[in-house]
Amino acid sequence: DSGVTQTPKHLITATGQRVTLRCSPRSGDLSVYWYQQSLDQGLQFLIHYYNGEERAKGNILERFSAQQFPDLHSELNLSSLELGDSALYFCASSSRGGQGGETQYFGPGTRLLVL
Amino acid sequence: GESVGLHLPTLSVQEGDNSIINCAYSNSASDYFIWYKQESGKGPQFIIDIRSNMDKRQGQRVTVLLNKTVKHLSLQIAATQPGDSAVYFCAEIDTGRRALTFGSGTRLQVQP
Repeated sequence: DSGVTQTPKHLITATGQRVTLRCSPRSGDLSVYWYQQSLDQGLQFLIHYYNGEERAKGNILERFSAQQFPDLHSELNLSSLELGDSALYFCASSSRGGQGGETQYFGPGTRLLVL
Repeated sequence: GESVGLHLPTLSVQEGDNSIINCAYSNSASDYFIWYKQESGKGPQFIIDIRSNMDKRQGQRVTVLLNKTVKHLSLQIAATQPGDSAVYFCAEIDTGRRALTFGSGTRLQVQP
């Protein structure tokens, strides 16, 4: 158990809908990262938040957004969902801002299926 | 369980043998590297890391080797066990983006 929690574990929805994925980092960790893992793309970095502020953006679509709250939990919002958004979404946390290299601890993921 | 990628290279070894998993990285500016293990249905799990000022680091049954000249990383697992069966990813820290960039992964299958 990494100490990172994600809810829900599974989510089934329809195209065009909007969903929110939630992540609670390890106690004391200030950074939260979101990743998408699909069968044909592997693990893709989406976005990084540190202590409530966006730090870095990766391959995140404009239909997707995220935020980190004062209690350091984070939410990833996916809107206007398409079939191709079906994937595993992982959250990871680390203790600092990611500079200089540090280990990220991953949650169990949320499996999203868009029908 | 779910598969992590349809076309992953697969390494099949016998229980008790040593395993070597290789990874090429592309960003010469990366200065921190991590190996992750991902079992079916679970998130990636940290195994071992190495900084670019080192060329070798050892953990419990695992060793990571870094060759910066050819941008190559390897993970050696000693006395491989069935519980080692998983997909293994190398990752590099891009300090500009402050995030991990993952390799495509290698599936390790341990035959009892």
